[in-house]
Amino acid sequence: GAVVSQHPSRVICKSGTSVKIECRSLDFQATTMFWYRQFPKQSLMLMATSNEGSKATYEQGVEKDKFLINHASLTLSTLTVTSAHPEDSSFYICSARNPGLGTGELFFGEGSRLTVL
Amino acid sequence: KQEVTQIPAALSVPEGENLVLNCSFTDSAIYNLQWFRQDPGKGLTSLLLIQSSQREQTSGRLNASLDKSSGRSTLYIAASQPGDSATYLCAVIGVTGANNLFFGTGTRLTVIP
Repeated sequence: GAVVSQHPSRVICKSGTSVKIECRSLDFQATTMFWYRQFPKQSLMLMATSNEGSKATYEQGVEKDKFLINHASLTLSTLTVTSAHPEDSSFYICSARNPGLGTGELFFGEGSRLTVL
Repeated sequence: KQEVTQIPAALSVPEGENLVLNCSFTDSAIYNLQWFRQDPGKGLTSLLLIQSSQREQTSGRLNASLDKSSGRSTLYIAASQPGDSATYLCAVIGVTGANNLFFGTGTRLTVIP
């Protein structure tokens, strides 16, 4: 299998501040990671694809200046929510594939719940 | 655009019962299909992955089937237990790769002791 870990699991911040969420692949290297957002009782919405060493690819309607993604190493991608506002409160989840498995199976982190006051 | 539907949206069963969760998708050109479970406030745990060339996969009490031509997959859970209570999501990956990942809205399962 593969293990993907996120940190922090919960974060509360004041409106206007920035919050960084980390996504790590613990036992494999991931050139690509994916960031999702999930609203209560809804399914996951792909926000962006994080590419190691290059710019992230954002889905339509996702503000790249609002949600900064950095994939500086093969095991770490970060999502920074800049100037957060209450409407940014949500559950953010990352995922990655272990290319060594050759199956295309996706593995997800534990998720990070952001609450903006 | 691929659309993934899961029926029912919620299901309650008594412990020990066998059950089937359904997932349907509109575009049969898929790379693979993956079933996940999500506990409240948690991330997704991969349950089963079915490649497009496969018809079913089994893991313990779980069996997932895939019928690409009809755009359907089922997740069969045998001898359900209270610990199986969670939301079950299916996700379809299109042939063009990882970005084309489409999730269903999930089935919230409650197994009553």
